[in-house]
Amino acid sequence: NAGVMQNPRHLVRRRGQEARLRCSPMKGHSHVYWYRQLPEEGLKFMVYLQKENIIDESGMPKERFSAEFPKEGPSILRIQQVVRGDSAAYFCASSLNPVSAIYEQYFGPGTRLTVT
Amino acid sequence: QQPVQSPQAVILREGEDAVINCSSSKALYSVHWYRQKHGEAPVFLMILLKGGEQKGHDKISASFNEKKQQSSLYLTASQLSYSGTYFCGTERRSGNQFYFGTGTSLTVIP
Repeated sequence: NAGVMQNPRHLVRRRGQEARLRCSPMKGHSHVYWYRQLPEEGLKFMVYLQKENIIDESGMPKERFSAEFPKEGPSILRIQQVVRGDSAAYFCASSLNPVSAIYEQYFGPGTRLTVT
Repeated sequence: QQPVQSPQAVILREGEDAVINCSSSKALYSVHWYRQKHGEAPVFLMILLKGGEQKGHDKISASFNEKKQQSSLYLTASQLSYSGTYFCGTERRSGNQFYFGTGTSLTVIP
């Protein structure tokens, strides 16, 4: 059973370009979470999605960032007009059900975004 | 809303014990513990429910005191493989937004 897949693993973008980060959850998981991690810092919640629905996007910047999890295909985190401050590792995690006292999250390997 | 962990960093010799604490200012429904090695993804360790639960496997165990809104992770007879950053994760209500703690860097030396 394949784990959570993320691609690309490394992404370099110039300021002003768009970054698209993909996350395929574990088989059978329909709940996806995106986190951002700056160097030497903790994981900051960004958004929680179920298939075709955004459940909670309170951790995501209001501008330039968007996320989706279509019925078919991976979840996508899109960052438009990237700036240097967007450089970070972006992790997605999937869960069988809403992460709770019973269901843990499984993390993907992350995408390291570098904005030059 | 982010839980606070202490200590921020700890260095141990192989075989020594360590305790990592996780405190929240809000009432908690459950606490999750993860370990992240440098450059890798976090790996799940355990979940604790409210009710004063304790859990453990191998030489890593944890407790959750919901009245104090805190959890502690206990590492006994540490091994080199225990090195990494430990994060607690908390939820205030089942299925609600999930917050990771500030992290504790643990280094085990020979």
